Amino acid sequence: NAGVTQTPKFRILKIGQSMTLQCTQDMNHNYMYWYRQDPGMGLKLIYYSVGAGITDKGEVPNGYNVSRSTTEDFPLRLELAAPSQTSVYFCASSPLNRGDNSPLHFGNGTRLTVT
Amino acid sequence: GDSVTQMEGPVTLSEEAFLTINCTYTATGYPSLFWYVQYPGEGLQLLLKATKADDKGSNKGFEATYRKETTSFHLEKGSVQVSDSAVYFCTENSGGGADGLTFGKGTHLIIQP
Repeated sequence: NAGVTQTPKFRILKIGQSMTLQCTQDMNHNYMYWYRQDPGMGLKLIYYSVGAGITDKGEVPNGYNVSRSTTEDFPLRLELAAPSQTSVYFCASSPLNRGDNSPLHFGNGTRLTVT
Repeated sequence: GDSVTQMEGPVTLSEEAFLTINCTYTATGYPSLFWYVQYPGEGLQLLLKATKADDKGSNKGFEATYRKETTSFHLEKGSVQVSDSAVYFCTENSGGGADGLTFGKGTHLIIQP
């Protein structure tokens, strides 16, 4: 059981370039999330999805886009990379029923540097 | 909005020392409380949780008690090991916000042999 898989692990972008961070999960979870982790700042929610075809903004969505065409996949798109987007990005998933306080399952992260 | 405050790191201890990482929250009502751990190069994983006042969560020798009167959820371990070196995040789920979660900034724990 692979859980949540993110690719790539590392990436260096030049300012203005674009890229897609891939995320896939094999637990049939309906909820999926993208977070960014900056040093000493905890995790900030970028976008989330409650099921295939449904996405919504989190706390820090500017400069990013997402799609959710299947239950398994939730890619994050950076269209015009900026230095402020240098961060570690984590994808996570959880079962449908948030009411039972199901924990999040995280991928191992993508370390992105924009120069 | 809601916030979670945890002690600044890094916290450096010797092996077999007693560990306390303080955590307080501001959410009203009865949020669920979690500790997540992030080992080097990995994502976060759930360490323990408590869903109601006076509950004690425990796992891998770590414990934390949900204290409503002090809005706290301090993490403790009686004898730490080098393998406990990681970043620890206190988190609350009050249902507010898009994902309902508020993360603390994380405490980097370093255990020296």
